[in-house]
Amino acid sequence: GENVEQHPSTLSVQEGDSAVIKCTYSDSASNYFPWYKQELGKGPQLIIDIRSNVGEKKDQRIAVTLNKTAKHFSLHITETQPEDSAVYFCAASRPGGSYIPTFGRGTSLIVHP
Amino acid sequence: GAGVSQTPSNKVTEKGKYVELRCDPISGHTALYWYRQSLGQGPEFLIYFQGTGAADDSGLPNDRFFAVRPEGSVSTLKIQRTERGDSAVYLCASSLIVGGGGTAKENEQFFGPGTRLTVL
Repeated sequence: GENVEQHPSTLSVQEGDSAVIKCTYSDSASNYFPWYKQELGKGPQLIIDIRSNVGEKKDQRIAVTLNKTAKHFSLHITETQPEDSAVYFCAASRPGGSYIPTFGRGTSLIVHP
Repeated sequence: GAGVSQTPSNKVTEKGKYVELRCDPISGHTALYWYRQSLGQGPEFLIYFQGTGAADDSGLPNDRFFAVRPEGSVSTLKIQRTERGDSAVYLCASSLIVGGGGTAKENEQFFGPGTRLTVL
């Protein structure tokens, strides 16, 4: 089955700095890569996703890149703010009808004011 | 509108007991998913429903775990003879549809806040 590795497990930055979280996946058939933000006591919330037919996608301060050859993808957050502090999960899913993601272990992002 | 709700928010039980966890999906969502999230880990898939039927239960760890969705809306995850290793946050999610024929937006999963299960 799919295996998703995520690094780092913890990331501490100053407000205004950029943050980068990296993930690798094992199943070359995976073609959909969502990113989730999970705040304390809440369920994960989709913040951005990317499909395998594009290499980069941006939404305001958040961008994702995908390298299918190397089987890795990254989340970039620019101009970080304290409210960006949360646990971020990358995930990968393959075609087959269900879009059920395999999640990474998460990155705890701490943005210091 | 109302999101996915789960009850109870916390459940403490003793080893060997039976528990039921409830999920109310977003109204109109046909697909419903259950995940388990252990401390410091990402959610792990357990089972998903399309309508009333379990379309994929390959993530259920053993036969102590069972889930139902009798009317295609509310779902209940049932755990028999609980063990300490069952302690985790159980997350429910729902999506408008499920299947590769829809758009990613239609397949987007909306998660509830979870039920924290502690088995003593």
